[in-house]
Amino acid sequence: NAGVTQTPKFQVLKTGQSMTLQCAQDMNHNSMYWYRQDPGMGLRLIYYSASEGTTDKGEVPNGYNVSRLNKREFSLRLESAAPSQTSVYFCASSEEPANYGYTFGSGTRLTVV
Amino acid sequence: DAKTTQPTSMDCAEGRAANLPCNHSTISGNEYVYWYRQIHSQGPQYIIHGLKNNETNEMASLIITEDRKSSTLILPHATLRDTAVYYCIAPVAGGYNKLIFGAGTRLAVHP
Repeated sequence: NAGVTQTPKFQVLKTGQSMTLQCAQDMNHNSMYWYRQDPGMGLRLIYYSASEGTTDKGEVPNGYNVSRLNKREFSLRLESAAPSQTSVYFCASSEEPANYGYTFGSGTRLTVV
Repeated sequence: DAKTTQPTSMDCAEGRAANLPCNHSTISGNEYVYWYRQIHSQGPQYIIHGLKNNETNEMASLIITEDRKSSTLILPHATLRDTAVYYCIAPVAGGYNKLIFGAGTRLAVHP
């Protein structure tokens, strides 16, 4: 089925460990986004990529890096995980301009202990 | 981004219309209004968007006031599965329409 695929679905890290969250879309969308959602809160934009080869900071970029590997894939890396990064991470993609809405993945639930 | 204001929570009886309001008094002339919802802990789901005219699709209707300072999302016959957090968003138009989510309205549909 067409959509946004995120891996892994669940992850537990120790403080200081690193990991990369993967995101891929098969809708030929130009733009991709990473959000985080803390318990009981709305989504906050971490980074976005308007098109292949470009990335920009969102509301809460500190502690994260991103790579737009190709048009399909947009990864989010935590270099040194901290407990404050415990959250649910959502990837999304959209046409450009985004007049048809975003399509979101099902999320990665990350716990940093 | 235009700031939006929504009630924190609302209730609706199953089978009745759910009317979710949103104020976006600082919206500019070329900014769309988008509505999304998030059921439990799933990824947000696009519902509908509009600029000036009222819009309707298979999920909902969107009524935008003439001055564009507010809008109402209407779920004509709410079901229990419509229980979710509903987000009203007015991103910056042109270029890269990154969506900034607020806290949304938590809609509870009860039998």
